[in-house]
Amino acid sequence: EDQVTQSPEALRLQEGESSSLNCSYTVSGLRGLFWYRQDPGKGPEFLFTLYSAGEEKEKERLKATLTKKESFLHITAPKPEDSATYLCAVQLFLNDYKLSFGAGTTVTVRA
Amino acid sequence: SQTIHQWPATLVQPVGSPLSLECTVEGTSNPNLYWYRQAAGRGLQLLFYSIGIDQISSEVPQNLSASRPQDRQFILSSKKLLLSDSGFYLCAWSVGQGSAAFFGQGTRLTVV
Repeated sequence: EDQVTQSPEALRLQEGESSSLNCSYTVSGLRGLFWYRQDPGKGPEFLFTLYSAGEEKEKERLKATLTKKESFLHITAPKPEDSATYLCAVQLFLNDYKLSFGAGTTVTVRA
Repeated sequence: SQTIHQWPATLVQPVGSPLSLECTVEGTSNPNLYWYRQAAGRGLQLLFYSIGIDQISSEVPQNLSASRPQDRQFILSSKKLLLSDSGFYLCAWSVGQGSAAFFGQGTRLTVV
């Protein structure tokens, strides 16, 4: 059973068209939730860590938020260079060395 | 600053041949080290992780093994590759507990 579900699988946006990606998790005892960006053929690049419900983090056009059962990654006025696959991962208090990843959302931003 | 090196970037190997992928981390001591595999269009599957030089945990029983001969070196091996071992292999490191992992650039393995 998947612990982390990301939606949608793919998202096509026009430049400047803001949108949100969802990451929902079924686990209990969440230690942290992590967002990564992955470009084709590259390793994931760390973006944010969120530890508690209500927490928000921002970086340029990206803002991540966390509730008790899901996280959102908001992309505001995206540019073509924001095109990538965005991965979220959860870490549990039960084993806070491991990250369990979702399948990702592939975002394509057209100029 | 910390850096992670993973090689080779691309590898094509015949079925039944051995495998050795190497990963080293610079700029930190006693890192946690990880091997992940990513199938096309899928998320990252954790294969092995190590929180110390003599502590390696296996997450998925399979045709692969991992070793940590030095504090900042992590090796993924196989004695005989299967077609199903094809994929994108990623090494990562973190420090302490509850922290993010930082990834290398990956190795694209194709078993033919």
